[in-house]
Amino acid sequence: NAGVTQTPKFQVLKTGQSMTLQCAQDMNHEYMSWYRQDPGMGLRLIHYSVGAGITDQGEVPNGYNVSRSTTEDFPLRLLSAAPSQTSVYFCASQDRGQETQYFGPGTRLLVL
Amino acid sequence: EDQVTQSPEALRLQEGESSSLNCSYTVSGLRGLFWYRQDPGKGPEFLFTLYSAGEEKEKERLKATLTKKESFLHITAPKPEDSATYLCAVQATGGFKTIFGAGTRLFVKA
Repeated sequence: NAGVTQTPKFQVLKTGQSMTLQCAQDMNHEYMSWYRQDPGMGLRLIHYSVGAGITDQGEVPNGYNVSRSTTEDFPLRLLSAAPSQTSVYFCASQDRGQETQYFGPGTRLLVL
Repeated sequence: EDQVTQSPEALRLQEGESSSLNCSYTVSGLRGLFWYRQDPGKGPEFLFTLYSAGEEKEKERLKATLTKKESFLHITAPKPEDSATYLCAVQATGGFKTIFGAGTRLFVKA
């Protein structure tokens, strides 16, 4: 099993550009989440999904969109990038009935 | 409001020098408290889940304990390979969201 994979590993954007961060898992987990991690702060939940076709907002959803058309994939879309979105983004998956989250390796995003 | 505070922010130890990391939490009802390890440039890796006060779990040189307000991660005779950031997180009953602390960066010098 590859676990949770994320692409790209690193991306530079200009203010106003849009992009999609990809996340995929091969563990057949129902739950998936997106977090951002900033220096001196804990991981903050952006959006999450409890199953295909079901998504909800987390703590810091503004400026981001998600969709969940399959169990395996959970892409995160930045609609119009801003410097405040410079961060490291982590995707995580979790099996129903279990509390353990499995994290991907992260995407480092720099918005100029 | 659910909240997690970790201390210290950073901890420097000599190899073999035992110590503890603290995680203070406020949550409406605790479903679980989690400890993760994060190496530089990588995603967090699960270590422990604790569910109720008095519970303890061990893994190699690490031991996690839980009270009604705090959790401790005890590191016994640490080695340089234990150097990492240790994250604490809580999940409230009836909810899905997990609240993370900012982490403790541990440096173990040989």
